[in-house]
Amino acid sequence: AQSVTQPDIHITVSEGASLELRCNYSYGATPYLFWYVQSPGQGLQLLLKYFSGDTLVQGIKGFEAEFKRSQSSFNLRKPSVHWSDAAEYFCAVGARFGNEKLTFGTGTRLTIIP
Amino acid sequence: DADVTQTPRNRITKTGKRIMLECSQTKGHDRMYWYRQDPGLGLRLIYYSFDVKDINKGEISDGYSVSRQAQAKFSLSLESAIPNQTALYFCATSDSSLDSTYFGPGTRLLVL
Repeated sequence: AQSVTQPDIHITVSEGASLELRCNYSYGATPYLFWYVQSPGQGLQLLLKYFSGDTLVQGIKGFEAEFKRSQSSFNLRKPSVHWSDAAEYFCAVGARFGNEKLTFGTGTRLTIIP
Repeated sequence: DADVTQTPRNRITKTGKRIMLECSQTKGHDRMYWYRQDPGLGLRLIYYSFDVKDINKGEISDGYSVSRQAQAKFSLSLESAIPNQTALYFCATSDSSLDSTYFGPGTRLLVL
């Protein structure tokens, strides 16, 4: 069965600073990987996804993530955060081959300080 | 119109009551899912369906049931609601590759 670990429950970053959110997954084959963002009181928005090919994936809002098979990781990065990035971020792994469903991590809450 | 709609958006009910949450989608996808979100636990899969004749339990199906009335409709029922079912519930739909997954806006349920 697949699983996702987001080791950081809460991260605080100064506006303009760089950001890295960690995600580790467990899956028996090459996974589908996703990052979603949830602003307070809102639904889920897809930031980016990895299916195959280039291991560095660009997403919306200036985010990127890098798939590292050897480390079973898919960390999310942004070079300079904005106050509007304050939200909760979820990493998810998708099963393949006829059993397609998403398994989510427990999330990382991001606080931005001026 | 939204791709995935959920009704109601908010609901308060009492312990022991039966409640149904409804989901409909306009994407024409075969796959539909119900998740619940709890603080600190992320989203957990309750049930999922790959077509109208295919229903599967997720990781936390106890206390829930579902009905896939049509390709576009997938309902979640709580037969006898209990307070620890208080949560935010999301419906989602996807194509076969997960490349296009759409989430509904969520239903906030409070069980007293």
